[in-house]
Amino acid sequence: AQSVTQLGSHVSVSEGALVLLRCNYSSSVPPYLFWYVQYPNQGLQLLLKYTSAATLVKGINGFEAEFKKSETSFHLTKPSAHMSDAAEYFCAVSPTNTGNQFYFGTGTSLTVIP
Amino acid sequence: DAGVIQSPRHEVTEMGQEVTLRCKPISGHNSLFWYRQTMMRGLELLIYFNNNVPIDDSGMPEDRFSAKMPNASFSTLKIQPSEPRDSAVYFCASSPLRSGSATGELFFGEGSRLTVL
Repeated sequence: AQSVTQLGSHVSVSEGALVLLRCNYSSSVPPYLFWYVQYPNQGLQLLLKYTSAATLVKGINGFEAEFKKSETSFHLTKPSAHMSDAAEYFCAVSPTNTGNQFYFGTGTSLTVIP
Repeated sequence: DAGVIQSPRHEVTEMGQEVTLRCKPISGHNSLFWYRQTMMRGLELLIYFNNNVPIDDSGMPEDRFSAKMPNASFSTLKIQPSEPRDSAVYFCASSPLRSGSATGELFFGEGSRLTVL
């Protein structure tokens, strides 16, 4: 069975500081991995995805994530936080071998302090 | 390119009333998903369809909930009768069926915010 764990339901960083949002997955076979962002009163929007190509994936708005098989992790980072990064972030996994199932983490709310 | 379109964006109704939420997926996408989001339970998958066929409805809370996809461009989620605990934001998402190198990521609509009084 697949599962996704996002450590830290709330993360606060100062503007200009490093953003690190953690995601670990449980799967016998490396899945496809995704990060989504949700701004208030909006739907989820894809930030970036890992599809078994390069392990370091760059996404929109300066975010990137690194797939580490040995750690079963796919942490999201951004070198310098901006006020506009304040949002809810969701990690999701999708098995590569079973249709279109998606499993979402519980989300991490990012607050950026001016 | 039009995204996933959901209607209504907001619905306020009274307990016991029937609620119908509508979704138009992105043209060409073969998979359609209905999610529910609440503060308490986060994002929950209710049901998903591949090629208009329901594949997994294990997340549908109870018999009061039903979902249909009569064709590739339209789906409904119906709650009858509605209850206050059904208050949530309901998201529809669509995805191309995975094949070859296509990853089939989800594209979400803006959501339908339901309030049941």
